[in-house]
Order: sequence, then C-alpha cells, then structure tokens
Amino acid sequence: EPEVTQTPSHQVTQMGQEVILRCVPISNHLYFYWYRQILGQKVEFLVSFYNNEISEKSEIFDDQFSVERPDGSNFTLKIRSTKLEDSAMYFCASSEARGGGRSYNEQFFGPGTRLTVL
Amino acid sequence: GQNIDQPTEMTATEGAIVQINCTYQTSGFNGLFWYQQHAGEAPTFLSYNVLDGLEEKGRFSSFLSRSKGYSYLLLKELQMKDSASYLCAVITSGTYKYIFGTGTRLKVLA
Repeated sequence: EPEVTQTPSHQVTQMGQEVILRCVPISNHLYFYWYRQILGQKVEFLVSFYNNEISEKSEIFDDQFSVERPDGSNFTLKIRSTKLEDSAMYFCASSEARGGGRSYNEQFFGPGTRLTVL
Repeated sequence: GQNIDQPTEMTATEGAIVQINCTYQTSGFNGLFWYQQHAGEAPTFLSYNVLDGLEEKGRFSSFLSRSKGYSYLLLKELQMKDSASYLCAVITSGTYKYIFGTGTRLKVLA
C-alpha cells in the first residue's frame, strides 16, 4: 500500500541553525501539506502546496519557514533559524485533490519528524 | 475565530460503546474528518462527513449536524487497541484550511 515517508525520524539541532525536513508524498497525489504538533498539544496546519506553489498558509508559517518541491518526488520544509519553540513533531501529508465538499479527499499522513531544538 | 471543542479525556470498558463529541465554530464549513492518533504516531483517517446524518464504517460511525455545529464519533465493541486520541478536524470553506481540535484521549479498560 502506498504511503507517505518522512526523513529523518528525529532531528536534533542547536537554536539558530537551519533544518530541512524531507517528505516523499504518495506518487499520484497532487496536494501536499505540513502540520506540526507540539508535545501534548493539537495538530496545527502550517501550509498547503499545489502546482509548485503555496496554496494556503497559517499564521504560524512566517518568514522563517519555506517549502519546496525540488524534484518530482520530494517535498521539503525548511526552517531557517530554529527557535526553542519550534520543537515539535512535524507531519507531512498528501492527498489526491484538495478535499472538502461532496468529493472528500483523505489526507494521508507520514510518520512524522520529531524536531528537538536545544 | 476558529474553535473546535472536544472533551479532553474519556474512559470506557472493553466491549462497551463510547461517543466522542465535537462542536465547532469556524468561518465556513466544507467537511469534517475524524482521525485516530496513537501516542507518538501519525493521525490515521477514520471518517468524513459533509452532509447531515450518520456515516457507518464497521465498528465506527460518525454523525454530523451542520445547523448545530456538532459531530460525534461512535465506537462500538471497544477493544484495548482503541485506546488512542481521537481528533476532530474541520475544513473551512474559502481557504480550505484544516482546523484540528485538541483531541480526545480515550482509555479502554479491561
């Protein structure tokens, strides 16, 4: 069964450093998403991506964040200068289409990358 | 503002039935998802509702009332492996953002 994969599973970094989190969405999916979940808190939407550009982003997704689809398979989230409060689990998800309305499109989540900022 | 409310924790006994409620106030509505999330793992899809009524899927059913901004997830014949967090998520219209509730942590006791 096709699945979303993410690497690394755990990333430890020093405050102020740049990190790149990588995701390989399901191959025929067109919409890609990043979420974060701070330990013990709710899942928070960061950004959605379609046709090589950002579709929507939340207030959390400020200038220190960027996303890219560098090739036909990878989807990356870059955090330019990490802060302590960026420590969280970051989930990538993908879906065949945008979702909502009568024709729902399930988002498939990857296993997550646990980011620890020291 | 966007708000999704769920109870924080629930406890039930193996073999029983449990109902997890979700109320939402969002800027528009374009569908509601329920996800299951085991500790340290990714959310996995359980159900989707966009029209009023009940959707049944094996031991799991989900109900939606759009006029009341209300949904519930019903789990029957509870098993120990159902111990997990259950997340309610709403797709808002216009922006198509997915807004998640804080989740309900369900403990199933033997």
